[in-house]
Amino acid sequence: EIVLTQSPGTLSLSPGERATLSCRASQSVSSTYLAWYQQKPGQAPRLLIYGASSRAIGIPDRFSGSGSGTDFTLTISRLEPEDFVLYYCQQYGSSFRITFGQGTRLEIK
Amino acid sequence: EVQVVESGGGLVQPGGSLRLSCAASGFIFSSYEMNWVRQAPGKGLEWVSYISRSGSTTYYADSVKGRFIISRDNAKNSLYLQMNSLRTEDTAVYYCASFKPRPFWGKGTTVTVSS
Repeated sequence: EIVLTQSPGTLSLSPGERATLSCRASQSVSSTYLAWYQQKPGQAPRLLIYGASSRAIGIPDRFSGSGSGTDFTLTISRLEPEDFVLYYCQQYGSSFRITFGQGTRLEIK
Repeated sequence: EVQVVESGGGLVQPGGSLRLSCAASGFIFSSYEMNWVRQAPGKGLEWVSYISRSGSTTYYADSVKGRFIISRDNAKNSLYLQMNSLRTEDTAVYYCASFKPRPFWGKGTTVTVSS
């Protein structure tokens, strides 16, 4: 099973600042099958990035994804107040063992 | 518009059974691999089960193996999850989702296992 470790667990920043969220895999992950989600309280996860760097439909261009192999990054260039929620990474290359990171909480400093 | 809508959640006693359904629309359902994912209250996301396009191949998380059964009816554009021998730790929001080539999810249905 591929374990995804997200860091930091909580990130404290101010609106307008840049956020960098990390997702590290225990073994190499195909970039084609790495996704990032945003989750607000009481809502389903919202797809932000798939294929490591492709923005989903309707996602603002302040969200970007990068990385390969075992290290992936979600960057939010200029934080808006609505961005201060929870973020998960996911690998779905192996259909029999899809895994998620434990999440990074973005909080207002 | 691609859409999946879950239903069938509710309150059930430990040891009981429940069947979840997922109705698909806006895409050729038989061409997509499907999954169930759950999220316990205050916890992270946990993949539960996978089914191939034809339904001939299925996989399960160790936590539900032997208790849950995933199935699909391509003629009805529907996905199912039969949950047996339910435990309190199965309490969660259950999501229907497809991941390849591009992920999409439903809004979820809530299952509560409690006496």
